[in-house]
Amino acid sequence: KQEVTQIPAALSVPEGENLVLNCSFTDSAIYNLQWFRQDPGKGLTSLLLIQSSQREQTSGRLNASLDKSSGRSTLYIAASQPGDSATYLCATSLAGSGNTGKLIFGQGTTLQVKP
Amino acid sequence: KAGVTQTPRYLIKTRGQQVTLSCSPISGHRSVSWYQQTPGQGLQFLFEYFSETQRNKGNFPGRFSGRQFSNSRSEMNVSTLELGDSALYLCASSRQTGGRNEQYFGPGTRLTVT
Repeated sequence: KQEVTQIPAALSVPEGENLVLNCSFTDSAIYNLQWFRQDPGKGLTSLLLIQSSQREQTSGRLNASLDKSSGRSTLYIAASQPGDSATYLCATSLAGSGNTGKLIFGQGTTLQVKP
Repeated sequence: KAGVTQTPRYLIKTRGQQVTLSCSPISGHRSVSWYQQTPGQGLQFLFEYFSETQRNKGNFPGRFSGRQFSNSRSEMNVSTLELGDSALYLCASSRQTGGRNEQYFGPGTRLTVT
């Protein structure tokens, strides 16, 4: 059974700081790993998706890495801004027929970026 | 391209009633997945539909059911509502291509059971 853990649960940083959010998973037979952002009371916004065969993906100030052998992914946010304040969620899908549409989520890291 | 839409956005129901939630996927997406989000349990997978067939199901009681129509729109139904069913219900649509199955989420339906 896949379990996804995110550390830390909450993080507060001053504006401009670079930061790393961590995600670990127990089953390395993943299909995709996706990072999302959720603003309070809203739906999820997809930030980055890493395929099983990839090591990292980048979008603007965001960089996500994947190490299947150690069961870890990190989301790096460069030059943080107050608008980055949100909850960040990591989710994996497992390989295998019928599994690729089922995401298993971590509990999230709530980020506050102070002006 | 229009995103995933969910209706209604808010619902208040009484224990014992039933409720139906609707999800319209992004055009061209044939897979729709449903999730329940609560403060205590976080985001949990309910089920996934692909081409009108349930492809996967999470660990929820039989009171939770769903279906998908030929135009890929999906509905989920919860019967005999309990207080613990109060949650944000999210649906996501996706199109699997070349090793990618990126899910795009709707804004959710906030269900309150009193």
